[in-house]
Amino acid sequence: DADVTQTPRNRITKTGKRIMLECSQTKGHDRMYWYRQDPGLGLRLIYYSFDVKDINKGEISDGYSVSRQAQAKFSLSLESAIPNQTALYFCATSDGGRNYGYTFGSGTRLTVV
Amino acid sequence: GQNIDQPTEMTATEGAIVQINCTYQTSGFNGLFWYQQHAGEAPTFLSYNVLDGLEEKGRFSSFLSRSKGYSYLLLKELQMKDSASYLCAVRDWGEGSQGNLIFGKGTKLSVKP
Repeated sequence: DADVTQTPRNRITKTGKRIMLECSQTKGHDRMYWYRQDPGLGLRLIYYSFDVKDINKGEISDGYSVSRQAQAKFSLSLESAIPNQTALYFCATSDGGRNYGYTFGSGTRLTVV
Repeated sequence: GQNIDQPTEMTATEGAIVQINCTYQTSGFNGLFWYQQHAGEAPTFLSYNVLDGLEEKGRFSSFLSRSKGYSYLLLKELQMKDSASYLCAVRDWGEGSQGNLIFGKGTKLSVKP
């Protein structure tokens, strides 16, 4: 099994619908992140969490919310999806150690029509 | 502020050597990472530099100069499978960054026969 698992892998939804993207990890890392990636814009941070009770907004949090249900689970919700939220979404984890980078999930390709 | 710059696109020939540059400005630098990302897939870790100098790993090498805010990724004996985007990321412990990685927008490398 993958260290960081994202579901679903692909999703097409309609404008105005609520959708949840899920992320779970088996690495035992405290830190978890949600990014979106758009062509030419790179990875942009949506939300991050350092533990179950610590949730922080990233640079583009508007229109998104998150829930850290457990150390291993971090979900991203789009309350009312809009077409410009069409993107590739990545979950990532880190132990916060100084010589550790991030481990990424396989991504969720979301299309809002 | 925080800023990471890298070229948007590069093209090279199979069997050749290519150097991808990255310059950065952060207030609390604590390490630089390079990731490889094939189209539609998750970024995967390539290298980490925290001290000045060259780190070599097989066909890939990464160099860091902290005084110049500069790094490069060197790929030797290019293969077609090296066609991918290469992301430069800096760990920043400056105010508000909390040790998170700051990503550049990536360099798309195309390897031609």
